[in-house]
Amino acid sequence: DQQVKQNSPSLSVQEGRISILNCDYTNSMFDYFLWYKKYPAEGPTFLISISSIKDKNEDGRFTVFLNKSAKHLSLHIVPSQPGDSAVYFCAASRTTSGTYKYIFGTGTRLKVLA
Amino acid sequence: DTGVSQDPRHKITKRGQNVTFRCDPISEHNRLYWYRQTLGQGPEFLTYFQNEAQLEKSRLLSDRFSAERPKGSFSTLEIQRTEQGDSAMYLCASSLVGGGGTEAFFGQGTRLTVV
Repeated sequence: DQQVKQNSPSLSVQEGRISILNCDYTNSMFDYFLWYKKYPAEGPTFLISISSIKDKNEDGRFTVFLNKSAKHLSLHIVPSQPGDSAVYFCAASRTTSGTYKYIFGTGTRLKVLA
Repeated sequence: DTGVSQDPRHKITKRGQNVTFRCDPISEHNRLYWYRQTLGQGPEFLTYFQNEAQLEKSRLLSDRFSAERPKGSFSTLEIQRTEQGDSAMYLCASSLVGGGGTEAFFGQGTRLTVV
């Protein structure tokens, strides 16, 4: 069963505009969420994370929003740049259970058009 | 220390052969993870270690797969009697134990092709 879902396989955005990537999860026990960016032939690169005790975390152009009641998180990139073109994965973990593995979604390919 | 290092970057092997991959985590990190990624999918959890103890193994990890982290530093992942379905990118990641959640940092991966 897919516990972390990214329902949009791809997204195209104009340079300078906002990119919004979405992620849904089914397991209410998840309490820590992360976003990774991946270029071809490279490993995922950590971008930003959020704990379930927060509903927003910002780091420069990247903001992650968490809606626990909807089991939904989103990554906002403002302004989008051509170098942001990559595949973005969300991931979730259950830290309170002592299980620290990360469960990943299937990814969204972002293309930022110059 | 510049990050998680994996060796080799690429491996082509014939079906039925054994292969071994190595991962060197970030030096102060005590958790080490192995993931597998195939085209169009996200990384799938295989196993993880805290120090030298293997704490969890996925059901994806068949008897042909074994992972070790003998001294709590580097780790190896061995696949015996490889099959074409084992072709994938094998990713290693490490993280630091802390209160609450922590992020894992990934290596460049080892691309395995079984022919």
